[in-house]
Amino acid sequence: DIQMTQSPSTLSASVGDRVTITCRASQSISSWLAWYQQKAGRAPKLLIYKASNLQSGVPSRFSGSGSGTEFTLTISRLQPDDFATYYCQQYNSYSQTFGQGTKVEIK
Amino acid sequence: EVQLVESGGGLVQPGRSLRLSCAASGFIFDDYAMHWVRQAPGKGLEWVSGISWSSGSIGYADSVKGRFTISRDNAKHSLYLQMNSLRAEDTALYYCAKDQSSYGSGSYFDYWGQGTRVTVSS
Repeated sequence: DIQMTQSPSTLSASVGDRVTITCRASQSISSWLAWYQQKAGRAPKLLIYKASNLQSGVPSRFSGSGSGTEFTLTISRLQPDDFATYYCQQYNSYSQTFGQGTKVEIK
Repeated sequence: EVQLVESGGGLVQPGRSLRLSCAASGFIFDDYAMHWVRQAPGKGLEWVSGISWSSGSIGYADSVKGRFTISRDNAKHSLYLQMNSLRAEDTALYYCAKDQSSYGSGSYFDYWGQGTRVTVSS
């Protein structure tokens, strides 16, 4: 199975900060990568698909980039609603796998 | 509005069985593949199983292969997960998730239900 590794595991930031989360794949997955946001007690929500495509209704402060084995999720100006856990997911193979998550906390 | 409502979770002893259901509405159910994704308490997300629109393509995580069976009834707009030989490590919140495509093999999930909790304990 393809392993996905996110960094950092936890990130402390302030409202208005620019935040970047990294996701690395154990082998090339082309651009077959999605990002999700999960708030406590809630289901995950799709933010980005195919590495850089913004899902309908998602604010433009979210952006994704990368290809091959290294990907990033960037929040340009962190808002109070953005404090949550973020997961990357590869879908290069049927056994789609998730990263372990990055928790974005209030500094 | 897309809605996915899971049911069937509960407390079950190790070695026993449980059947989860997911009722879908708000989209053309038989146009899309569907999946089960689980989340153990305090842990991350784990894809469990997926099924194509026609049930012709099915996949399982290695951790559940041979014990879990996914199925769907397009006439009833429903997805199922039959879980046999349950283990303590199967304890999790089980989410039903809609695929963005028909095929199920290697895809992402654009809508999720709120989950049904399964606890395996004696």
